[in-house]
Amino acid sequence: AIRITQSPSSLSASTGDRVTITCRASQGISSYLAWYQQKPGKAPKLLIYAASTLQSGVPSRFSGSGSGTDFTLTISCLQSEDFATYYCQQYYSYPLLTFGGGTKVEIK
Amino acid sequence: EVQLVESGGGLVQPGGSLRLSCAASGFTFSDHYMDWVRQAPGKGLEWVGRTRNKANSYTTEYAASVKGRFTISRDDSKNSLYLQMNSLKTEDTAVYYCARDRGSSGWYFDYWGQGTLVTVSS
Repeated sequence: AIRITQSPSSLSASTGDRVTITCRASQGISSYLAWYQQKPGKAPKLLIYAASTLQSGVPSRFSGSGSGTDFTLTISCLQSEDFATYYCQQYYSYPLLTFGGGTKVEIK
Repeated sequence: EVQLVESGGGLVQPGGSLRLSCAASGFTFSDHYMDWVRQAPGKGLEWVGRTRNKANSYTTEYAASVKGRFTISRDDSKNSLYLQMNSLKTEDTAVYYCARDRGSSGWYFDYWGQGTLVTVSS
């Protein structure tokens, strides 16, 4: 099974900061990676798919990059509403899907 | 507006059974693959399984952790998705989400329900 290692598991940042979260796959997954945002007590929300395609309605301060084994989610200018937990998900090994362990973005 | 609303969660003893439902609206349910994803308290997301659409014979797939115990079904006439959970274990305790699968466009989830909590405990 493809393992996804997400780092860091948590980070503290201030409003206006640039934030980067990384996912590393245990084997190449091309660009078959999605990113989600989850706020406490809420369902995950799709941010990015195909590693770098922004889902409709998602602010442009979110961006994704990478292919193969290494991927990055960047928030260019952190806003108060961005404090949440972020998950990546690989869908290369269809039909079996796996998520990263999550990165909690907290207020510094 | 796409809406997914889960129901049926609750407290059940180890070894027991429970059936979850997910009511869909705002899109052509019958066209879509649908999945269940769960999240244990304070933990990350775990894919549970999927049902394909009628065009793909309603075939199902499951994570190894639930295969043989859980069954996913759907009723397109009612725009509803189901998860039958048997032989429940304490480690099945989680919030269960139904999610719309993008299918051949990409096996990720563009809409999620609010979740329903299943607690397996004696």
